[in-house]
Amino acid sequence: GESVGLHLPTLSVQEGDNSIINCAYSNSASDYFIWYKQESGKGPQFIIDIRSNMDKRQGQRVTVLLNKTVKHLSLQIAATQPGDSAVYFCAENMDAGGTSYGKLTFGQGTILTVHP
Amino acid sequence: DVKVTQSSRYLVKRTGEKVFLECVQDMDHENMFWYRQDPGLGLRLIYFSYDVKMKEKGDIPEGYSVSREKKERFSLILESASTNQTSMYLCASSLAGGKRDEQFFGPGTRLTVL
Repeated sequence: GESVGLHLPTLSVQEGDNSIINCAYSNSASDYFIWYKQESGKGPQFIIDIRSNMDKRQGQRVTVLLNKTVKHLSLQIAATQPGDSAVYFCAENMDAGGTSYGKLTFGQGTILTVHP
Repeated sequence: DVKVTQSSRYLVKRTGEKVFLECVQDMDHENMFWYRQDPGLGLRLIYFSYDVKMKEKGDIPEGYSVSREKKERFSLILESASTNQTSMYLCASSLAGGKRDEQFFGPGTRLTVL
């Protein structure tokens, strides 16, 4: 999972395996969460989001799970491909749609490496 | 295709120079953000703006200022660049008032201050 510090957590998987990336978020009042993917030399790109009234949300090959009891978020990638190699960030918003002006708080990121 | 563009991909400046980083979005978004990204520290919010001429400090505003004269453009200014401002700078925008706060990012500007 993600942690404070200078060294990013890393995850290495073989092509075709399933990947699970974890994130511990900080604020129990957060009600909206996003996963971003950042490839080398590019800005972060949206993958999937989830609101706090849900436990699970599925996209194409990706699933996000939210456990509010332990303030834990995970991203599952099915049948991981070399093109999935990137840094993955979770982000939280304390007041989605409210007065927070859309501010997000980002985790430090996890490096995913997929070996052919 | 929605887009956030940044004026430069790479920039090299000298200590003490005034530096302007420009960001333009074509999605008519109200909210715009400037982050810096450093290894192991994730994205840290410098400043954001929720409307034209409005600005709010983020988590690390010291040494920076911003300008939002038009809705589509948000500028980050380093009044007197220092070596500790060497970093990747990311601009983002989002729609206000929705139930989602997805931010759309530009490609980033890698600034080196010598």
